[in-house]
Amino acid sequence: QQPVQSPQAVILREGEDAVINCSSSKALYSVHWYRQKHGEAPVFLMILLKGGEQKGHEKISASFNEKKQQSSLYLTASQLSYSGTYFCGTQRLGTDKLIFGTGTRLQVFP
Amino acid sequence: KAGVTQTPRYLIKTRGQQVTLSCSPISGHRSVSWYQQTPGQGLQFLFEYFSETQRNKGNFPGRFSGRQFSNSRSEMNVSTLELGDSALYLCASSGKTDNTDTQYFGPGTRLTVL
Repeated sequence: QQPVQSPQAVILREGEDAVINCSSSKALYSVHWYRQKHGEAPVFLMILLKGGEQKGHEKISASFNEKKQQSSLYLTASQLSYSGTYFCGTQRLGTDKLIFGTGTRLQVFP
Repeated sequence: KAGVTQTPRYLIKTRGQQVTLSCSPISGHRSVSWYQQTPGQGLQFLFEYFSETQRNKGNFPGRFSGRQFSNSRSEMNVSTLELGDSALYLCASSGKTDNTDTQYFGPGTRLTVL
């Protein structure tokens, strides 16, 4: 039931773009995205709801494809501060529990 | 608002001992969830408490238990520690975003079992 994140790791130069995907085999109500820097707690980025619009946060945005039960996180013109591990948390229809993927490690170099 | 706080931040125990971790949620949040984070397994859900009642439970053995107090503060207990229990234990309290519960994480307690 754990969502599958891809890729597992991404290496970028500053200014490059990246896409992180999160897929579930179950019908979802929401997808939550978090970023965790080394030695710190995960920080909430945004939430995507079933039937909701694509969300944006500075140069980081996300979408939710209900047909595929997949969410994608888009990082454009990456900055050094974007480095960290990105987790998606999925909430299935009819439940209030979040199940997290195994994470995607993103490293941005100058 | 103050964020989620967890104490202690670091713990070293030996096999067979027990440990209690504490979590204070964001003021006004009534739900507290606990997660175990390890490099290989990512964030694994332990349990969730809401208004002093366990509302959800993950797939962990009975050695892992928790409780929540009337002020929403929560404790997690692990008995008969094993080497494999070494991990970062994260607590998260829930608040509304877009009318949906969103979790806000504390800094975690890093437990090392020797």
